[in-house]
Amino acid sequence: QLVESGGDFVKPGGSLRLSCSGPGFTLDNAWVSWVRQAPGKGLEWLGLIKSNSVGGATDFAAPVKGRFSISRDDSKNTVFLHMNNLRTEDSALYYCATGPPCNNVVCLAGAGPSFDFWGRGTLVIVSS
Amino acid sequence: DIVMTQSPLSLPVTPGEPASISCRSSQSVLHYNGHNYLEWYLQKPGQSPQLLIYLSSYRVSGVPDRFSGSGSGTEFKLEISRVEAEDVGVYYCMQALQTPRTFGPGTKVEIK
Repeated sequence: QLVESGGDFVKPGGSLRLSCSGPGFTLDNAWVSWVRQAPGKGLEWLGLIKSNSVGGATDFAAPVKGRFSISRDDSKNTVFLHMNNLRTEDSALYYCATGPPCNNVVCLAGAGPSFDFWGRGTLVIVSS
Repeated sequence: DIVMTQSPLSLPVTPGEPASISCRSSQSVLHYNGHNYLEWYLQKPGQSPQLLIYLSSYRVSGVPDRFSGSGSGTEFKLEISRVEAEDVGVYYCMQALQTPRTFGPGTKVEIK
């Protein structure tokens, strides 16, 4: 239900923009997270963007804070992960994930909705 | 940040037998609203992760009832009452109380 795109081979220090779209799935009221998985490794949460109905704020994990940003274009039903100053350790399969609208007190008390929906991922390789 | 740990990291299982995975958080994920913000995901081989359990014990619609989640505070458990071959994969717990959300290292379940 989610589709990621934009993964590529890039040199260290380079930039890349990943897209997450929801064909048949409305993202405009969704909190969307990005999660990555390095080859043979576990899952790592990178960051999220809240829905515009609660201000559209973003938050990031320490390893990517200051290098990665997230934006959304609800008119295109797409969320973007902007990655700058890429490092070899950023090489991974990047997933976007989301859940039901976070519009109730239980969800808002935590860090957003559970990840009911995932894409298949897009591969980023950072190498010289 | 809340650090998540899991045990065991590898779990050989026999079909038809029960299985259990433990997850521990470095801080309590129990909110004063009474909910534990702990989720369980399964990543089957070659697939994206899928949500099994949210708020510690709520099973997602469509997830077989042989899966159950329990626990509170910092100690949680995912139990499979009778393992089936389709249950193989890596199971991750994740805290959903605060950002940064953090995953456990994963428990690889495979058939003996």
